[in-house]
Amino acid sequence: KAGVTQTPRYLIKTRGQQVTLSCSPISGHRSVSWYQQTPGQGLQFLFEYFSETQRNKGNFPGRFSGRQFSNSRSEMNVSTLELGDSALYLCASSRLNLGTGELFFGEGSRLTVL
Amino acid sequence: KQEVTQIPAALSVPEGENLVLNCSFTDSAIYNLQWFRQDPGKGLTSLLLIQSSQREQTSGRLNASLDKSSGRSTLYIAASQPGDSATYLCAVPTQGGSEKLVFGKGTKLTVNP
Repeated sequence: KAGVTQTPRYLIKTRGQQVTLSCSPISGHRSVSWYQQTPGQGLQFLFEYFSETQRNKGNFPGRFSGRQFSNSRSEMNVSTLELGDSALYLCASSRLNLGTGELFFGEGSRLTVL
Repeated sequence: KQEVTQIPAALSVPEGENLVLNCSFTDSAIYNLQWFRQDPGKGLTSLLLIQSSQREQTSGRLNASLDKSSGRSTLYIAASQPGDSATYLCAVPTQGGSEKLVFGKGTKLTVNP
């Protein structure tokens, strides 16, 4: 059974550009959440989707957005990139529809902003 | 506001030693607690999930305990091996019905051969 798949694994952007990251959850999982990991702040919650609806959003500026498709795949977008957006972006999926279940993470997308 | 703390931040032990990693949380009204492992530059691997009604969970050489009333969880690793070297993170949901987790900063474990 394939795990959570994130693409791309690595990318380099310059300030002001935008980036789109993709996440395919484990087959049968309908809940997808995104996290940002930096050395200084650790892991911080970005957003959570279930059945194409955003259920929760973390404390990030509006430059960070996401969506979920009918096949449960999810994308997140960061516009007008800043140096501080350099981070490992992790996607997680869960089997339980109503949350509080076990989360399974992908390998992450490492974003470097120059 | 839920806060999760992990002490120590780093731990170095010789191979074969049994060890305990600690995790504490400020709001005891949790639905579950999950322990993860993260290797450098990699994603998180789920190790154990303890539901709020459980006291402990075991998987191989790993045993996690949960004491909601005191806001503590421990991860016990028996007979440590160099391959156990990684950062260990604990996390709790901020509320029921949500996958919004609050993470500790982790404990970086080094097991020396």
